[in-house]
Parts: sequence; C-alpha cells; structure tokens
Amino acid sequence: AQSVTQPDIHITVSEGASLELRCNYSYGATPYLFWYVQSPGQGLQLLLKYFSGDTLVQGIKGFEAEFKRSQSSFNLRKPSVHWSDAAEYFCAVGASSGNTGKLIFGQGTTLQVKP
Amino acid sequence: SAVISQKPSRDICQRGTSLTIQCQVDSQVTMMFWYRQQPGQSLTLIATANQGSEATYESGFVIDKFPISRPNLTFSTLTVSNMSPEDSSIYLCSAKPPGLVKGEQFFGPGTRLTVL
Repeated sequence: AQSVTQPDIHITVSEGASLELRCNYSYGATPYLFWYVQSPGQGLQLLLKYFSGDTLVQGIKGFEAEFKRSQSSFNLRKPSVHWSDAAEYFCAVGASSGNTGKLIFGQGTTLQVKP
Repeated sequence: SAVISQKPSRDICQRGTSLTIQCQVDSQVTMMFWYRQQPGQSLTLIATANQGSEATYESGFVIDKFPISRPNLTFSTLTVSNMSPEDSSIYLCSAKPPGLVKGEQFFGPGTRLTVL
C-alpha cells in the first residue's frame, strides 16, 4: 500500500537560513508527488508537484524539491527562509489504484522560523 | 486553477446534532473530495463525491455518519451526523479540475468544527 512518511514533526530554523524538509514514500510505480503548505487558519496551497521529467522541480515562493527514486524521497528545500514561511508542510502521493485521484498525505512537518 | 469556497468557515455544535458543510467551486471539476483533519493531525480522506451517484467512502467512514451530496459539477455537501466531541476537526473540500495530473487538487479553506 502507498504511504508517505515525514520523519520530522517539528523543525525550527533561523530566518535567512536554508531549509530541507524530508519526505519518503512507498509506492509501486512512478509516483505523483506533491508538497502542500498550510498556514495557520488557512486551507492547503500547492507548492510544487512531480509526475515525470526533470527530477528537480521548482515551485512557488522559492521552494524546490528533488525526486530521488533510489532513495524513495522527495525532499523540499529553500535556500533562504523567510518568517512568512512558518507553516505546516505536507508531502503527499497520488494513490495508484485506478483513476481515483486520491491523495495520501504524510503526517506533516511544522516549520518555525526564528527571527 | 479552481477557487473553492466553503460554508460555514467554523461552527460550534452540540452533541447529537448534525451539521451540513457546503463546498462551491468556481468552475466545473471532474472530481471532488472531502477530507478530515483532526487536531494536530494530517489529512484523512473521507470520501470521493461522485456527481449523480453515491459517494465512494474510505475505510472507516460510512454514509450514515457522513452523508455526501453532489448534485452538479461545481457543488457538494458533507453532513456530519449525530455529532460527538470526537468529530471536532477541520473538514476540507478539494477538487480536481480537468487536465490536472492524478492526485493534483485544489483545496478549500476548511470548516473548523467544534462539538461540545
């Protein structure tokens, strides 16, 4: 069965520092992978997605993620974090069964940014 | 893209009552979904709302507790029935417009439900 693991429940970084949020997935075929961000009191916003092609994908707000099939990972990175990046980040995989379009989410990583 | 609105944005309800949450999309979409996000938890899919037919429920969720309607390609409702404090969660609607890759969805802002 498909699953997504985000090993870090909570991360704190200083403003201006680099960021990497980890995501590991379990999937039988080429996965459809997503990173979403949820700011306090807000819905989910898509940061970026991967489904084929270049394994380094660029997203909004200066984020990027790299798909590594050998490591079953899709880690999210940002070279310089801004205070407004403080939020909950979810990695997700598109479920493979049929054409359901379902998403399976990881547990989420809470990002805190220190001034 | 798609813009999704939900009503109400939040509510406080008494045990044993029911609440219906509305989800409106600004364009026709092929698929709509309902998720639950319990406090401090990730999102769990409740069901896929199918236009013109019964919703498809995930394991652990049943129609009697979470009846869903989808009368057209832009609108859906989720009812949380006979509520208990354990139903206190954020309920999110999402939609997949035509042309997006499998799994890609846009989300509404959520409905924050507190059951006393």
